[in-house]
Amino acid sequence: NAGVTQTPKFQVLKTGQSMTLQCAQDMNHNSMYWYRQDPGMGLRLIYYSASEGTTDKGEVPNGYNVSRLNKREFSLRLESAAPSQTSVYFCASSEVVRNTGELFFGEGSRLTVL
Amino acid sequence: GEDVEQSLFLSVREGDSSVINCTYTDSSSTYLYWYKQEPGAGLQLLTYIFSNMDMKQDQRLTVLLNKKDKHLSLRIADTQTGDSAIYFCAERYSSASKIIFGSGTRLSIRP
Repeated sequence: NAGVTQTPKFQVLKTGQSMTLQCAQDMNHNSMYWYRQDPGMGLRLIYYSASEGTTDKGEVPNGYNVSRLNKREFSLRLESAAPSQTSVYFCASSEVVRNTGELFFGEGSRLTVL
Repeated sequence: GEDVEQSLFLSVREGDSSVINCTYTDSSSTYLYWYKQEPGAGLQLLTYIFSNMDMKQDQRLTVLLNKKDKHLSLRIADTQTGDSAIYFCAERYSSASKIIFGSGTRLSIRP
């Protein structure tokens, strides 16, 4: 079982470039999430999708867009990257209906914006 | 996360108990979690507590929940070098799917 797979693992962008982080889960979970991790700031929720067809803003959505392509896949897009978006990005999935809601994380994508 | 607060660092002597504290804001939170992150890795669930419980014990781990003060703590008994990691508390909002994390507490172990 692969669990949660995110690509790419590393990416360097120039300011103003765009890119999409891909995430897929094979656990048939309804909910999926994108977080960013910065030193001293913990994990901050960017966007989440409670179920296929829905997306909601988290704590820090500005500068990002998401697409819940189907139940398995949830992508994060940076339309015009900025140095402040340099971070490690984690995708996660969870089953919250009649469940504890434990999050299963991908390995992370390290993004540097120059 | 802006709604969940933790101190950033904790240093304890090997064999002592570690207590990591967290305050949260949503009084309607259903579940509260502790996750562990080892260097260079993603997060893994360590333990959780349902909001109608005051305490949960799981081997060396004890979780205490004070709903009146919105305070959560994690006690690790007999702390070992392998416990060195960043510990995150997280709350699941009453809206069910939204899960917010604290800033993480880096636990270091002194010999």
